[in-house]
Amino acid sequence: SQQGEEDPQALSIQEGENATMNCSYKTSINNLQWYRQNSGRGLVHLILIRSNEREKHSGRLRVTLDTSKKSSSLLITASRAADTASYFCATDAGSNYQLIWGAGTKLIIKP
Amino acid sequence: DAGVIQSPRHEVTEMGQEVTLRCKPISGHDYLFWYRQTMMRGLELLIYFNNNVPIDDSGMPEDRFSAKMPNASFSTLKIQPSEPRDSAVYFCASSFDPDTQYFGPGTRLTVL
Repeated sequence: SQQGEEDPQALSIQEGENATMNCSYKTSINNLQWYRQNSGRGLVHLILIRSNEREKHSGRLRVTLDTSKKSSSLLITASRAADTASYFCATDAGSNYQLIWGAGTKLIIKP
Repeated sequence: DAGVIQSPRHEVTEMGQEVTLRCKPISGHDYLFWYRQTMMRGLELLIYFNNNVPIDDSGMPEDRFSAKMPNASFSTLKIQPSEPRDSAVYFCASSFDPDTQYFGPGTRLTVL
């Protein structure tokens, strides 16, 4: 079942600008993850934030988590053409390894 | 490590034919997941295995779909008989911890 909902569904920005994508979810979580999918490829894990964390950084990526609002944001700073991809959030709400996926945000970086 | 390997990468078949998709997980990963991705429904979990045992197959659409994992290094997803609505990209992913899943490149299935 789909729990996460990303917005916007699509985002087009100029190279060098920052891109922000949001994810909302419905139930309590243990952690939230972001994945990237390039066209025609499988998903690649980007970053994970646990429920007791509020912010996490990895290179040009910054993820925030607000458990009171059941939402997360992914910020990509100084975007590059290679960042063009779809970005998915996924939540791990239970004790098993199953992830619940959002519908994704399609990001286009214009050169 | 070569990552998760899926074959074939592309499959075109006619309605009613049997289709078998194959996956080799990353060595040492004891969880294996089969997903289906379409524009309309997004990414759907079909079934996942732990130590070669199916744990949850509630996402399998109907009896036409079956999955097996005869050993730790191989899994198959079979559709028999195939229908045009089964056209999608099918992904296999493996994991050794609950934090990260490693996806294969996918199999693009087209059923005519």
